[in-house]
Amino acid sequence: DAKTTQPTSMDCAEGRAANLPCNHSTISGNEYVYWYRQIHSQGPQYIIHGLKNNETNEMASLIITEDRKSSTLILPHATLRDTAVYYCIVKGSNYKLTFGKGTLLTVNP
Amino acid sequence: DAGVIQSPRHEVTEMGQEVTLRCKPISGHNSLFWYRQTMMRGLELLIYFNNNVPIDDSGMPEDRFSAKMPNASFSTLKIQPSEPRDSAVYFCASSLSLAKNIQYFGAGTRLSVL
Repeated sequence: DAKTTQPTSMDCAEGRAANLPCNHSTISGNEYVYWYRQIHSQGPQYIIHGLKNNETNEMASLIITEDRKSSTLILPHATLRDTAVYYCIVKGSNYKLTFGKGTLLTVNP
Repeated sequence: DAGVIQSPRHEVTEMGQEVTLRCKPISGHNSLFWYRQTMMRGLELLIYFNNNVPIDDSGMPEDRFSAKMPNASFSTLKIQPSEPRDSAVYFCASSLSLAKNIQYFGAGTRLSVL
């Protein structure tokens, strides 16, 4: 599976959009981009995934560049409860989810 | 649905003792995963099952670790004998299938081996 690069940490003001970037320049054509998050002392939580088209659900939007070498997770109106570590994972036919260090997003009041 | 249920939530034991962690996956899910999380190594996949059969146990650190899934609604992860370096948070996750790989995680078991 392709490796991902994420910033170590980011800050966001409550009520504003949080845009979390992820680079995955070695992604293959059949590999999906998954996003999970882990709130302190909880298990990881699935957010969204996509292949090449932009995706949106009740939690977030996923924007994947046309060359698929990077993506952005967007939380449209961040709340304090969105403070968490966000993991960008690229996964192909291998069934494993390989978690990196992720981005610690801190939402400030 | 109650989600993935793990027990106990916290376990404190002494070195050399046997430890058994338990997991009940979401009903109807056919795939189950065991992970371990430490500050040093992050979140690591230990083993996963599909239809109660172990598919890949290459992440199991050593023979002291074993996992079973006797039926679709129950799995155990056993450490015998336990060592201080086994101290970590252990997560269980389940998914509908290996192909539908959206994994739902339990709250974890925090293990401390003294």
